[in-house]
Amino acid sequence: AQSVTQLGSHVSVSEGALVLLRCNYSSSVPPYLFWYVQYPNQGLQLLLKYTSAATLVKGINGFEAEFKKSETSFHLTKPSAHMSDAAEYFCAVRGNNAGNMLTFGGGTRLMVKP
Amino acid sequence: EAGVAQSPRYKIIEKRQSVAFWCNPISGHATLYWYQQILGQGPKLLIQFQNNGVVDDSQLPKDRFSAERLKGVDSTLKIQPAKLEDSAVYLCASSLDMNYGYTFGSGTRLTVV
Repeated sequence: AQSVTQLGSHVSVSEGALVLLRCNYSSSVPPYLFWYVQYPNQGLQLLLKYTSAATLVKGINGFEAEFKKSETSFHLTKPSAHMSDAAEYFCAVRGNNAGNMLTFGGGTRLMVKP
Repeated sequence: EAGVAQSPRYKIIEKRQSVAFWCNPISGHATLYWYQQILGQGPKLLIQFQNNGVVDDSQLPKDRFSAERLKGVDSTLKIQPAKLEDSAVYLCASSLDMNYGYTFGSGTRLTVV
């Protein structure tokens, strides 16, 4: 079994400020972890993924996430927020066994203030 | 490469009517998924196909929902009869293998009135 908890359904930051979106997971097998972004009226776009290689993963648009097994966390960060980062962000977990499906968290809406 | 194609983009129906959604995955992707995303929530898996076989349909409301992928390529998801609580975005995704994230289509937004 696997699950994802995203702390904070809404996060608001000022343009240029640090972005931190929290994700904690549970998985009965070693996980693969993902962050997706969803802009209004669009599908989900992959930001980055962890698949048991380097624990610090760099993604698109300046985002990165660090896998911390001891904390069962995979928080998403970006040093400096841009107005275009405003969107819904979803953390997802997938067991590394064949056939395991992607399980999503409830999402965090990021708002960026000018 | 072409992305995951879904149609229609939007659909409005009355409750108790039927509706069908279509998905064409990325060429060569053996695994296809249908997710339901209710407003304000994360996507929830409805059904997973591997080629033309069902891998997981444990969360599919089988009394009203059905899905098929007859030739192992494109897929159809049907709802009959629809209920108000079926209003959601229906996302199709495909995957090459477990080491990759899924590629999602733009979704079909269903409104049941």
